[in-house]
Amino acid sequence: GAVVSQHPSWVICKSGTSVKIECRSLDFQATTMFWYRQFPKQSLMLMATSNEGSKATYEQGVEKDKFLINHASLTLSTLTVTSAHPEDSSFYICSATAFGQGGNIQYFGAGTRLSVL
Amino acid sequence: GENVEQHPSTLSVQEGDSAVIKCTYSDSASNYFPWYKQELGKGPQLIIDIRSNVGEKKDQRIAVTLNKTAKHFSLHITETQPEDSAVYFCAATRRTGANNLFFGTGTRLTVIP
Repeated sequence: GAVVSQHPSWVICKSGTSVKIECRSLDFQATTMFWYRQFPKQSLMLMATSNEGSKATYEQGVEKDKFLINHASLTLSTLTVTSAHPEDSSFYICSATAFGQGGNIQYFGAGTRLSVL
Repeated sequence: GENVEQHPSTLSVQEGDSAVIKCTYSDSASNYFPWYKQELGKGPQLIIDIRSNVGEKKDQRIAVTLNKTAKHFSLHITETQPEDSAVYFCAATRRTGANNLFFGTGTRLTVIP
């Protein structure tokens, strides 16, 4: 199946710093990528939808100035957590859509665990 | 919007027994229903999916059934093995447009050796 690579898998940073997370589709071109946040023992919460070459669409309650998303190419989207604080600590997961039989299928990266001290 | 409910939240079975996880959805326009398996500290992995024009799909020990009239779909795992232990998420979406997936709340499956 399609492979989505997410990097880094784990990052620890000091409060106030910014962290960039990369999401790459390795063997296919993804016009649409999604960014999710997951709290312990909870489901995935969609943060934003990222389309190549255009501004991301953020879900209600997600601060666009806090979570900067860039989708500059068909294989790469980045999420930057700006001025991170301890409450931003979470598991962030990206996904990319690949064309499957009859439509698009969403494939997920392995996730990035962010710990803000 | 779509609302997906998933039950049970936790499920423990003996190795070799079957496990069933059930989901309901609210949007009658939803026509694609994937199931994901998430192991600890990893991203969700697609294990099986079904489209609305099909009532049942099977892949080795895993099967999914869909009842469009009742708006519910289920995951069936037979001959469970310890490596099946994980969190399983159902999801629903329309396959056109933004393809946003609406996830259920997850089921933590534990297979007891």
